[in-house]
Amino acid sequence: KQEVTQIPAALSVPEGENLVLNCSFTDSAIYNLQWFRQDPGKGLTSLLLIQSSQREQTSGRLNASLDKSSGRSTLYIAASQPGDSATYLCAVNGGSRLTFGEGTQLTVNP
Amino acid sequence: NAGVMQNPRHLVRRRGQEARLRCSPMKGHSHVYWYRQLPEEGLKFMVYLQKENIIDESGMPKERFSAEFPKEGPSILRIQQVVRGDSAAYFCASSQDRGATYGYTFGSGTRLTVV
Repeated sequence: KQEVTQIPAALSVPEGENLVLNCSFTDSAIYNLQWFRQDPGKGLTSLLLIQSSQREQTSGRLNASLDKSSGRSTLYIAASQPGDSATYLCAVNGGSRLTFGEGTQLTVNP
Repeated sequence: NAGVMQNPRHLVRRRGQEARLRCSPMKGHSHVYWYRQLPEEGLKFMVYLQKENIIDESGMPKERFSAEFPKEGPSILRIQQVVRGDSAAYFCASSQDRGATYGYTFGSGTRLTVV
């Protein structure tokens, strides 16, 4: 059974900082991994999708890496902004479903 | 190019009533998934459907819950005789292929409150 853990559970940083969110998973037999953002009371917005054969993906200020053999992914956010405040979810695709971590709640203070 | 559409956005039901949640997948997607997010908890898989077929329902509670994805129309998640513990956000996602090679797209969710 796949288990996904995200560290830290919460993070509060001043605006402008670069930060790293961590995700680990127990079963390396994955199709791909997706990072999502969830704002309070809202749905999930896909940020980055990394295929199992890839090492990293970039979109704007976001960079996600994947080390499948060690069961780890990181989401790097450069030059954080108050608008980045949200919960960030790591989700591992085992082929017929996503398994989610509990999320990292990020607050970026002006 | 509408994304995944869920309705209603908010649903209030009294204990014992039935709740019906609807989901229309993204255009071109024929694979639908339902997830539940209980208050202060993470998202949990419930069921995976393809047109007219249930592929994986291992995450569905054994009683009172059912799901369908008919040939025509949206996918429906049905909860009979709702109880307070069913209060949660229910999210639908869709994918283009089995295995979700291009990832999953989520709807905005239906927030069910049982009073």
